[in-house]
Amino acid sequence: KAGVTQTPRYLIKTRGQQVTLSCSPISGHRSVSWYQQTPGQGLQFLFEYFSETQRNKGNFPGRFSGRQFSNSRSEMNVSTLELGDSALYLCASSKGGLVEKLFFGSGTQLSVL
Amino acid sequence: AQSVSQHNHHVILSEAASLELGCNYSYGGTVNLFWYVQYPGQHLQLLLKYFSGDPLVKGIKGFEAEFIKSKFSFNLRKPSVQWSDTAEYFCAVTSPGEGNYQLIWGAGTKLIIKP
Repeated sequence: KAGVTQTPRYLIKTRGQQVTLSCSPISGHRSVSWYQQTPGQGLQFLFEYFSETQRNKGNFPGRFSGRQFSNSRSEMNVSTLELGDSALYLCASSKGGLVEKLFFGSGTQLSVL
Repeated sequence: AQSVSQHNHHVILSEAASLELGCNYSYGGTVNLFWYVQYPGQHLQLLLKYFSGDPLVKGIKGFEAEFIKSKFSFNLRKPSVQWSDTAEYFCAVTSPGEGNYQLIWGAGTKLIIKP
C-alpha cells in the first residue's frame, strides 16, 4: 500500500511569488491535513480537508489556502510569499479526520529567498 | 489561545533507563490527546492516543501515557528504553475553537539513547 506522497520534495522561490504544493493521500483516506514545521515554531496546523470541503482551519493568514479533489488529492497554495514562509510543509491523511491515526508524508521543503 | 508545552527539548538517557516525557496543555474542556514519534529518516507516526475512559493508555513499542485531567497533563513513559527509541517525540491535542477543531502540537522532545 503506497504511503502519503508529497511533491515536490524541495522548492526555492523568491518573495512575492506564489507556490502550489501537492499531496496524494493513502488510497481510501478521505481526510487530508496540512502542517507547517519550522525550527522556531515547531509544527503548526494549517487546515484539514474532508471530501473536498475544508472542515477545520488553523490560525494562518488568507495567503495560505488549499483544496481537495474528488480523488482526495490535495493542494496547498501560498500566495505573495514572505521570507517567514520558509518551512517544511507536511501533509497527513487519515480515513476520517484529525482524531484518527494520521499518516504523514515526507514533506516539501520550501525556501523563500 | 490553546497551547501544548513539552518541558524538555532534549533528553539523553542510557539504555535500560526509565523514560518520562512531560506534556501539558492549556485547554480546559474535552480534549483528544496524542503522542507522535519521528524516528531518524522516517515519517511522523502515531505512538498512542487518548479519547476517553481509562486514563492510562498503552501504545506501540512498550510506550504508555497517563492522562491527568486535574493537571492538564499527558506524560509519556517507558520503563526501559532501548537505543532504537532514539527519536523526536511530539505531543498533540485537538482543541475546538470558533466552530472548528485544530490540532495543536508541542515543540517536540529529542530523545537520544546512549548504547
